[in-house]
Amino acid sequence: DSGVTQTPKHLITATGQRVTLRCSPRSGDLSVYWYQQSLDQGLQFLIQYYNGEERAKGNILERFSAQQFPDLHSELNLSSLELGDSALYFCASSTRGDRGLSPLHFGNGTRLTVT
Amino acid sequence: KNQVEQSPQSLIILEGKNCTLQCNYTVSPFSNLRWYKQDTGRGPVSLTIMTFSENTKSNGRYTATLDADTKQSSLHITASQLSDSASYICVVSAIRGGSQGNLIFGKGTKLSVKP
Repeated sequence: DSGVTQTPKHLITATGQRVTLRCSPRSGDLSVYWYQQSLDQGLQFLIQYYNGEERAKGNILERFSAQQFPDLHSELNLSSLELGDSALYFCASSTRGDRGLSPLHFGNGTRLTVT
Repeated sequence: KNQVEQSPQSLIILEGKNCTLQCNYTVSPFSNLRWYKQDTGRGPVSLTIMTFSENTKSNGRYTATLDADTKQSSLHITASQLSDSASYICVVSAIRGGSQGNLIFGKGTKLSVKP
């Protein structure tokens, strides 16, 4: 158990809808990362937060947004959903926000299916 | 562009046999290299983290090597078990991030261990 909790585990929704994915990082971790993994693809970096502030941004679509709250949990909002957004969305946390040797601890993901 | 290439894409071996997975990278400036194991439908789990000065690091039956001069790494699995069936992901950390963030992920090698 990595200590990172993601909810919900599965989400099925229709095109055009909006969903919110939630992540609770490991206790003590200040940094949260969001990744997208499509079928048979590698992990694609979306965005990183450190202690409530946006730290780095990947190729995140404008339809997607995220935030990290004072209690350090994070939410990823996906709107105007398209079929191509169907994927596994992973949250990871680490102790530090830099490129140190802190390993990433991943949650077990939210599987989003857009129909 | 920072890239991480893994080979082979997939591999099937018999239980008890050894195998070696390869990772080549063009990431600069380099910080560290990580190997993760990802079981189907689960989040990746860290196996090893190596810095520039480390050539070898072991974690049980897993041994990772790093040649920073040739920018190559390998993951050797000894006496494979059925539970080793998973995707193995090579991740290289850059000192400065970009659209990929600091961590550049390979697409993984899918290992199947058969009885």
